[in-house]
Amino acid sequence: DGGITQSPKYLFRKEGQNVTLSCEQNLNHDAMYWYRQDPGQGLRLIYYSQIVNDFQKGDIAEGYSVSREKKESFPLTVTSAQKNPTAFYLCASSRFRAGSANTEAFFGQGTRLTVV
Amino acid sequence: AQRVTQPEKLLSVFKGAPVELKCNYSYSGSPELFWYVQYSRQRLQLLLRHISRESIKGFTADLNKGETSFHLKKPFAQEEDSAMYYCALAGATNKLIFGTGTLLAVQP
Repeated sequence: DGGITQSPKYLFRKEGQNVTLSCEQNLNHDAMYWYRQDPGQGLRLIYYSQIVNDFQKGDIAEGYSVSREKKESFPLTVTSAQKNPTAFYLCASSRFRAGSANTEAFFGQGTRLTVV
Repeated sequence: AQRVTQPEKLLSVFKGAPVELKCNYSYSGSPELFWYVQYSRQRLQLLLRHISRESIKGFTADLNKGETSFHLKKPFAQEEDSAMYYCALAGATNKLIFGTGTLLAVQP
């Protein structure tokens, strides 16, 4: 069954701890994205990656880090430097070819992170 | 800088009424515009994109470069159209950003 999978669905973290959210896709997509979804603020881009071993900061990258060692995986680490980490996090992927039209982005089911 | 603006947080209409969800953008190059939809308890999914110039579920959207707008329209709303709608813009580097979303509520 092809798709994009985020785990876990719910995550609790104590203040001061780092936590890593998983995102895996078997769609053979080159591009992957991480968004944060807060009420009234829509989806805000944290990081994105167009290709393996390369990624760029989005609009709200401070306090987050990512890696892209494999095409299928794009984990997001929420560090203790993130001042307001409690949020709903969405991962997405799309097929990307430089110079071509952007294709449809497919989304995971999301991870709800709560800092306690 | 890339920016997408959706001025309405909530749009409430009666069944059978026309619908227009507004979207304005800011981008210095040639943008690609999309509408995504999130139905209750479902994943965010693509509704339509300007490059396809298609009608999906009765919805259409025309890119107006002069007004930098990409409004989503449907002549007759249905109750099953109730959902959260997001306008999105992709730039040359494949950076994909979204607006703040509009909740469409179609009343019976």
